[in-house]
Amino acid sequence: DTEVTQTPKHLVMGMTNKKSLKCEQHMGHRAMYWYKQKAKKPPELMFVYSYEKLSINESVPSRFSPECPNSSLLNLHLHALQPEDSALYLCASSRRERMRETQYFGPGTRLLVL
Amino acid sequence: GQQLNQSPQSMFIQEGEDVSMNCTSSSIFNTWLWYKQDPGEGPVLLIALYKAGELTSNGRLTAQFGITRKDSFLNISASIPSDVGIYFCAGQLITGTASKLTFGTGTRLQVTL
Repeated sequence: DTEVTQTPKHLVMGMTNKKSLKCEQHMGHRAMYWYKQKAKKPPELMFVYSYEKLSINESVPSRFSPECPNSSLLNLHLHALQPEDSALYLCASSRRERMRETQYFGPGTRLLVL
Repeated sequence: GQQLNQSPQSMFIQEGEDVSMNCTSSSIFNTWLWYKQDPGEGPVLLIALYKAGELTSNGRLTAQFGITRKDSFLNISASIPSDVGIYFCAGQLITGTASKLTFGTGTRLQVTL
């Protein structure tokens, strides 16, 4: 089983709203990731959590706030977003076995900021 | 951020034809991964390559990890309509307790009957 789930599938929000994206995996993976993907571009890394601790923040604006409540869950809290933040937000998870590690992606949340 | 050189950018082929695409980098990677993405969906892993020189197959797909660790190719044999989508290569560096992917620019594949 290599399933990563994400909710909601679609989200429309105004620039003054607060919303959250949710990601879940039950594969025992200890690293979880948030990516942002604009149309016709590859995914761009935003955050990496390893063993529930933030290990990489790719200089993401503070209006994006990640949270890892436990090893299976990853949230992305959104506040005061701009229209240019509209994108597909992807979650991924990975597990390392003898120096082999593979990231599996969820289906994404399509975000539109008005 | 950094992106890998992936070619071709797009391909328009007939059903039944073979397809080749490749990625090159100026940096060395521990792992090369190939993903396929359908519109509005997340990338789906096709093949993972962990050793320089490794040649791996998954059904009609074959991929190789270049000897220099700076390149990889993906071949699709006898293409079918459901092969349509965007294919991304990704080079992976394992750092500390997490890994970091650098993606290629993508190859858009379109198949005609």
